[in-house]
Amino acid sequence: GAVVSQHPSWVICKSGTSVKIECRSLDFQATTMFWYRQFPKQSLMLMATSNEGSKATYEQGVEKDKFLINHASLTLSTLTVTSAHPEDSSFYICSARAWREGPYEQYFGPGTRLTVT
Amino acid sequence: AQKITQTQPGMFVQEKEAVTLDCTYDTSDQSYGLFWYKQPSSGEMIFLIYQGSYDEQNATEGRYSLNFQKARKSANLVISASQLGDSAMYFCAPSMDSNYQLIWGAGTKLIIKP
Repeated sequence: GAVVSQHPSWVICKSGTSVKIECRSLDFQATTMFWYRQFPKQSLMLMATSNEGSKATYEQGVEKDKFLINHASLTLSTLTVTSAHPEDSSFYICSARAWREGPYEQYFGPGTRLTVT
Repeated sequence: AQKITQTQPGMFVQEKEAVTLDCTYDTSDQSYGLFWYKQPSSGEMIFLIYQGSYDEQNATEGRYSLNFQKARKSANLVISASQLGDSAMYFCAPSMDSNYQLIWGAGTKLIIKP
């Protein structure tokens, strides 16, 4: 099956700094990528939908200036948490949908655990 | 807005027993897909099974099967002959819009006892 990677898998940063998380589709072209965050023992919360070459669509309540998403190519999307604070600590997961595939084809990355101290 | 209900926050099941994880959803759409994912403690989301709303037969994938009742808007996951490695969080996630965005249930934590 298709593979989606995320980098880094785990990061600790200091409050006030920015952190960039990469999501790559390794063997397919992803026209759409989704970014989720997940708090402990909770379900996934969709943050934004990212289409290649256009601006991301953010869900209600998600700050665009805080969580910068760039989908620069068909294989790479990045999420930058700007001026991170402890409340941004969470598990961030991306998923990618393959070009022209149906609803069956959405692949998840392994996730990035962010801890802000 | 669509609503997904997984009524069992947690379940303990004896190894080798079958287990049914409940999922109901609320939608007025006629065409949609239903996904189940497994999330072990490592955090990765593992796709288990998919059911299309127009599929006449219940989906099966190895030890996983879906008990799909469209009129009741129910898509329960059945795991036969449970194994210790089945211990994980399980999420029901219908997909109901043209962007194939998944809508996530709260999840069920399944623990298999030896």
